[in-house]
Amino acid sequence: DGGITQSPKYLFRKEGQNVTLSCEQNLNHDAMYWYRQDPGQGLRLIYYSQIVNDFQKGDIAEGYSVSREKKESFPLTVTSAQKNPTAFYLCASREGLGGELFFGEGSRLTVL
Amino acid sequence: KQEVTQIPAALSVPEGENLVLNCSFTDSAIYNLQWFRQDPGKGLTSLLLIQSSQREQTSGRLNASLDKSSGRSTLYIAASQPGDSATYLCAVRPQSGNDMRFGAGTRLTVKP
Repeated sequence: DGGITQSPKYLFRKEGQNVTLSCEQNLNHDAMYWYRQDPGQGLRLIYYSQIVNDFQKGDIAEGYSVSREKKESFPLTVTSAQKNPTAFYLCASREGLGGELFFGEGSRLTVL
Repeated sequence: KQEVTQIPAALSVPEGENLVLNCSFTDSAIYNLQWFRQDPGKGLTSLLLIQSSQREQTSGRLNASLDKSSGRSTLYIAASQPGDSATYLCAVRPQSGNDMRFGAGTRLTVKP
């Protein structure tokens, strides 16, 4: 079945460590996105990519990094520079300008 | 900058009621508007996508309307069921930019 796969589902990190969240899609979508969700708040955009080898910062990119070496993959690295990384992270993809946005199941990161 | 507001933040109804969830946005220059459902600890599931040229979309017991000029959308749920209990989010795709702007959601509880 076509869809978006995020891994791991749960991740625990010690302060000062970098972690990478995986996002893979087999929908053949050009655009991919990373959002962060905190309790009681709307989703906030971290990074997005419209095409391979190109990506743009969103509203809260500080402390995060991404790469887009393949159309199917858009991994997110949460670096030690991110001051409050504990959150629920959601990956999404879309086909075309007016297309429907699809989401993965999310990854919950907890910093100990 | 586009702002999206959802009222009420939470809603509790008895099973069988018809209900309306509201979404308002500040800038009418949008490509489309999308309604999502989110269950606790899960990703977002797309319910309905309304393009800017459309007035409404229907899927089963769900009907979403769009009034761009007034910056409003409503999601109508007919004959609500306990399985409809979830958080419902709306998001708009501004004509400028490549991301979606999300509301904080309405948490719906349908009591048996």
